[in-house]
Amino acid sequence: SAVISQKPSRDICQRGTSLTIQCQVDSQVTMMFWYRQQPGQSLTLIATANQGSEATYESGFVIDKFPISRPNLTFSTLTVSNMSPEDSSIYLCSVVFRRSNTEAFFGQGTRLTVV
Amino acid sequence: AQTVTQSQPEMSVQEAETVTLSCTYDTSENNYYLFWYKQPPSRQMILVIRQEAYKQQNATENRFSVNFQKAAKSFSLKISDSQLGDTAMYFCAFLAGGTSYGKLTFGQGTILTVHP
Repeated sequence: SAVISQKPSRDICQRGTSLTIQCQVDSQVTMMFWYRQQPGQSLTLIATANQGSEATYESGFVIDKFPISRPNLTFSTLTVSNMSPEDSSIYLCSVVFRRSNTEAFFGQGTRLTVV
Repeated sequence: AQTVTQSQPEMSVQEAETVTLSCTYDTSENNYYLFWYKQPPSRQMILVIRQEAYKQQNATENRFSVNFQKAAKSFSLKISDSQLGDTAMYFCAFLAGGTSYGKLTFGQGTILTVHP
């Protein structure tokens, strides 16, 4: 099975700063997504990372706050910009492989704490 | 748009017993898929079981089975012979067919605790 590596696994950041989270997959994927999981809550889709073009954001999420890149079929980054304590969450990368486009697999998540 | 509802914030069960987690959903789609994911304290989201809406037969994976009632839009998860390692948050999730590849809508989650 494929390996989905997400870095960093956790971080504590000062408010007003930015953090970039990386998601690397060891095989080509069809789709890549970023989710946010606020403390004790469910997962909410932030955006679809599109290869070589701008990400597609869900309602309530904007590019200025969550810029996303996807330069190739196996790698994506999510940046959380100008952080505030409300951004403290787990951020998860999710991928769909060509062989099964109805199953989503997840990275191990990044636990972000903003102080 | 679709919604997924898990009405049980927390459940507990004794080791070796059976527990059922509830999930209801609302959609106007005819082609869709339903999933149960497990999230242990490690944060890793693990796919437990999936069900295609066009299949009438309920999915089964070892100790995990579902009761899929399409007309009632209900999708419950039964865990038999519960083990301590089943302790986790469980999420019910919905995926519309067509071009929504991998774009999941999650329920609120149910925290399951298995007691020795």
